[in-house]
Amino acid sequence: QVQLQESGPGLVKPSETLSLTCTVSGDFINSYYWSWIRQPPGKGLEWIGYIYTTGDTNYNPSLKSRVTISVDTSKNQFSLNLSSVTAADTAVYYCARRILVAGSLYFDYWGQGTLVTVSS
Amino acid sequence: SYEVTQSPSVSVSPGQTASITCSGDKLGDKYASWYQQKPGQSPVLVLYEDTKRPSGIPERFSGSNSGNTATLTISGTQAMDEADYYCQTWDSSTVVFGGGTKLTVL
Repeated sequence: QVQLQESGPGLVKPSETLSLTCTVSGDFINSYYWSWIRQPPGKGLEWIGYIYTTGDTNYNPSLKSRVTISVDTSKNQFSLNLSSVTAADTAVYYCARRILVAGSLYFDYWGQGTLVTVSS
Repeated sequence: SYEVTQSPSVSVSPGQTASITCSGDKLGDKYASWYQQKPGQSPVLVLYEDTKRPSGIPERFSGSNSGNTATLTISGTQAMDEADYYCQTWDSSTVVFGGGTKLTVL
């Protein structure tokens, strides 16, 4: 059973960089794509981006200028950096495993999510 | 950019059939996935490739996708099915989520 666990600061100051890590257990991180998805309080889901274990990435165009996703296969972890944050970046951040099969893309395993609040 | 739209809310009586729709331009030419999210919990995949159920998802969850609309159908709806439901697809390497539908079981 694959398990994902997000970790990182729960409070970030405006204009600073939000940094989160997702640790994958129960399977090797290799050969899959891994994604970050967020959900502002009381709102819907927003895809942030994903990374392959080779380092190949794809980001949401609306966040692309501020997002960096990286992977550390030796630690079975991948990470999110979101720069120049504002209150609008306050959300629960989820990490998830992305599957793409026969043209169908979906997320089969999700972390429990971590709330990040942007406030001074 | 591609967008999909969901009705904000759907109500159903226990034991009845609930239909939750997701609309987008030529959505039937793409694959839709559906997620269930209960308060305070992470989303759970309930359908992928329009109609397929992951292991552990009850048979009362089914789906279809044609034209501009994908539909999640819950037959014999139970109180435990009350949740937010999100459709998801992708276009030009960009993942798109619907705004979510709150299913109330009255």
